[in-house]
Amino acid sequence: AQTVTQSQPEMSVQEAETVTLSCTYDTSESDYYLFWYKQPPSRQMILVIRQEAYKQQNATENRFSVNFQKAAKSFSLKISDSQLGDAAMYFCAYRSASNAGNMLTFGGGTRLMVKP
Amino acid sequence: GAVVSQHPSRVICKSGTSVKIECRSLDFQATTMFWYRQFPKQSLMLMATSNEGSKATYEQGVEKDKFLINHASLTLSTLTVTSAHPEDSSFYICSARTRMHSYNEQFFGPGTRLTVL
Repeated sequence: AQTVTQSQPEMSVQEAETVTLSCTYDTSESDYYLFWYKQPPSRQMILVIRQEAYKQQNATENRFSVNFQKAAKSFSLKISDSQLGDAAMYFCAYRSASNAGNMLTFGGGTRLMVKP
Repeated sequence: GAVVSQHPSRVICKSGTSVKIECRSLDFQATTMFWYRQFPKQSLMLMATSNEGSKATYEQGVEKDKFLINHASLTLSTLTVTSAHPEDSSFYICSARTRMHSYNEQFFGPGTRLTVL
C-alpha cells in the first residue's frame, strides 16, 4: 500500500518570503500522480498543483512550484512571495495511474501560517 | 466548471437518529464518487468509493451497515449515517471523478459538519 508522509505539522513564513513544504511517499509503482491540495479555513479542498511521475520537469503554477525527486520519492512544494491568503492546511496526495480505484492517499497535512 | 455540492453544510442530530448527506456533481457526470471523513486537525480518511449503479467499496474498518452509500445516478451520491452516535461527529467530504476531465481528477465538495448530541 502507498503511504504519504508530511514531516512538518506546522510551518510559518513571513509575507513575501518563500517557504518549502516537504512530502515523501512510498510506492512500488512506476506510474502515478502527485498532488498538493490547499484546505483553507472554509474546509474546501483546492487543488494547488499536480505532477505526473513520468515527467521529469517539475510542475509550476504561478507562485507554486514543486521539486519532484522520483528516486528519492520526495515531492516538496515551494511557495514564493507568500501571501496572507496562502495560510491554510496543505495536503500532499498520491494517486496511482492505474485504473484500479484511482483513490487519493493523503499525507497528514502541514499547517502554514503567514505572518504579516 | 467541475463543481461539486454537498447538502447540508451543517447538521446537528440526536443520538440514535439517521442523517443523510447528499453529494452532487453540478456540471458533469461523475463515474466515481468518494467519501472522506476528517477529524479536527487531521487529514482526510477515505471511507468508501462508489461507482454509479453498483455497490460501494468500503475501506477497512468502515462499517458498511452504519455508513450507507448510494450512488443512484451519475450526479448524485448519498451517505447515510444510521443510528448516529457522538463518536460519529466529524467533517464529511465527498469528491467526484469523471474520465472526461484530464488526469481523472477528483473535484471536492465543500464538506458537511455533523454533530451528534
